[in-house]
Amino acid sequence: QVQLQQSGPGLVKPSQTLSLTCAISGDSVSSNSAAWNWIRQSPSRGLEWLGKTYYRSKWYNDYAVSVKSRISINPDTSKNQFSLQLNSVTPEDTAVYYCARAGGSTLTHDYWGQGTLVTVSS
Amino acid sequence: DIVMTQSPDSLAVSLGERATINCKSSQSVLHSSNNKNYLGWFQQKPGQPPKLLIYWASTRQSGVPDRFSGGGSGTDFTLTISSLQAEDVAVYYCQQYYRSPYTFGQGTKLEIK
Repeated sequence: QVQLQQSGPGLVKPSQTLSLTCAISGDSVSSNSAAWNWIRQSPSRGLEWLGKTYYRSKWYNDYAVSVKSRISINPDTSKNQFSLQLNSVTPEDTAVYYCARAGGSTLTHDYWGQGTLVTVSS
Repeated sequence: DIVMTQSPDSLAVSLGERATINCKSSQSVLHSSNNKNYLGWFQQKPGQPPKLLIYWASTRQSGVPDRFSGGGSGTDFTLTISSLQAEDVAVYYCQQYYRSPYTFGQGTKLEIK
């Protein structure tokens, strides 16, 4: 059974960097059949996919255009986890952030972390 | 981006009755190479992450009760709950995973009448 455990601060100041980590159990961040995603949810924007990292003989990333200039998703193979960094945050980035796996037979987001409410405020 | 539009925004159904939620995509999500619709349905209860119910438009995820069914192809899809139970009260989302960015519908809130 795949489990994803999120960690990171719930309050970030405007213009600073939002950083979250997602620890994986029951699968590998280096899996050739999975992709590791970050998705956020807010009342104004609904569910919004932010990006993913995945390994297919080498590492790839894919990011939403809306955040492409500010986002970085990185794997950490030594700890079997992946992280989200979102730079230059504004109050518009206030949301519940989820990590999620896409893979297996479904190819879509079949396992999710518990969610982290991140508030951008001074 | 592929825009996903759900209807209705909210729905009230009596216990034991049928509930139907519609989802329309702005482009076809049917992949010609494998004849699969890259369309999923999720259920979200308050304070919880979304839970995958249906993938490939009509395949139930393991452990999902058979009162949940998905249908449709191309750009028009439905999620049907054949006999509504109290525990089905939630917000339901469709999602396309045909092409990045993977996009979700706005959600349909299902309540008991």
